[in-house]
Amino acid sequence: GQQLNQSPQSMFIQEGEDVSMNCTSSSIFNTWLWYKQDPGEGPVLLIALYKAGELTSNGRLTAQFGITRKDSFLNISASIPSDVGIYFCAGQNSGGSNYKLTFGKGTLLTVNP
Amino acid sequence: DTEVTQTPKHLVMGMTNKKSLKCEQHMGHRAMYWYKQKAKKPPELMFVYSYEKLSINESVPSRFSPECPNSSLLNLHLHALQPEDSALYLCASSQDRTANNYYGYTFGSGTRLTVV
Repeated sequence: GQQLNQSPQSMFIQEGEDVSMNCTSSSIFNTWLWYKQDPGEGPVLLIALYKAGELTSNGRLTAQFGITRKDSFLNISASIPSDVGIYFCAGQNSGGSNYKLTFGKGTLLTVNP
Repeated sequence: DTEVTQTPKHLVMGMTNKKSLKCEQHMGHRAMYWYKQKAKKPPELMFVYSYEKLSINESVPSRFSPECPNSSLLNLHLHALQPEDSALYLCASSQDRTANNYYGYTFGSGTRLTVV
């Protein structure tokens, strides 16, 4: 089946620094999604990308849908302590399995004040 | 209302118990999902309901039994679980993928299940 490689697995940064994480896939997706999950909570959708090459921002977050449709990145600028959490990328396709999300393994972000 | 509500938030059950997890959404989403998540791992899909019909069962053991009474409700009935079934169980919903205003899945906060 499809697999997503998400990197890095974890990051330790100082408050105010920028962060970048990415996902690559062995096959194409029609949609890329980025979620953040706090401990004991469900994943919260940060950004959804629908078109190859699309670059979308949500406040300090910026994400891009790769031209090949096999990759995506998420950047966080000027990190703050509440950015701490696990970030997951997820890919989705249309068609018979259009309801399935394929998740990356997550990036654990720690921000030191 | 833009939320998926799950109850209970925490559940401890014995291996011979029968319990149910509940999920509710009022966003008019016609697809609803159950996911299982172990600590520091991504969610794993269990079941998908589309228009109140079971459309995907990811080879889940029969001790987990889903039910979709109507378009707003999703239940997961649990019976004779094992300790390794302890996990965070997440419910999610989404619009039809072809909808113009599709925004991906909305997840609930989950039920933290402990099987003793």
